[in-house]
Amino acid sequence: QKEVEQNSGPLSVPEGAIASLNCTYSDRGSQSFFWYRQYSGKSPELIMSIYSNGDKEDGRFTAQLNKASQYVSLLIRDSQPSDSATYLCAVNGRTGFQKLVFGTGTRLLVSP
Amino acid sequence: DADVTQTPRNRITKTGKRIMLECSQTKGHDRMYWYRQDPGLGLRLIYYSFDVKDINKGEISDGYSVSRQAQAKFSLSLESAIPNQTALYFCATSDTDDTQYFGPGTRLTVL
Repeated sequence: QKEVEQNSGPLSVPEGAIASLNCTYSDRGSQSFFWYRQYSGKSPELIMSIYSNGDKEDGRFTAQLNKASQYVSLLIRDSQPSDSATYLCAVNGRTGFQKLVFGTGTRLLVSP
Repeated sequence: DADVTQTPRNRITKTGKRIMLECSQTKGHDRMYWYRQDPGLGLRLIYYSFDVKDINKGEISDGYSVSRQAQAKFSLSLESAIPNQTALYFCATSDTDDTQYFGPGTRLTVL
């Protein structure tokens, strides 16, 4: 079992729709969770961080965390073609040095 | 100016050559990281450093070495490059929380 798993996609949604991206992780003691956006050939860019169970909203983005189910998701409302990118989920371990484990990413395609 | 910079941005080299990739940051972070990214494999950690005197191997350190010349500088070396080291390389930094900030990347091709 991979430490952090994401569906590779592509996930295709029409412009204006809600895109839902999902991530599961294996380390039950993980404390920190991140979503990064990566355009092709570019570096990962932080979108959201979440540390507590529940929802965290930032503009059109909502991160959802359920530690009991070891599940974290990212919702993108009013999706735009410019949101088309690969979204990486990253999870930290429970203690010590802050080493992030990245999923392989979900490719999102937003059609006009 | 970018907070995390990498040089060179692109490099083509031949098998057996020694290559150095450099990373500099103005964020004032103590922690720095080197990753490589391959299609389908995601980001994999090569080396990481807590501070100038603390350097640690990541999951794929074989064939690589690093040098932390100062708080702001962290270099990655390929002592004898081989074709399967062709990849996109990223440097990242973090502060006392876990959030990592990435440089623009170096695209390395080993022929």
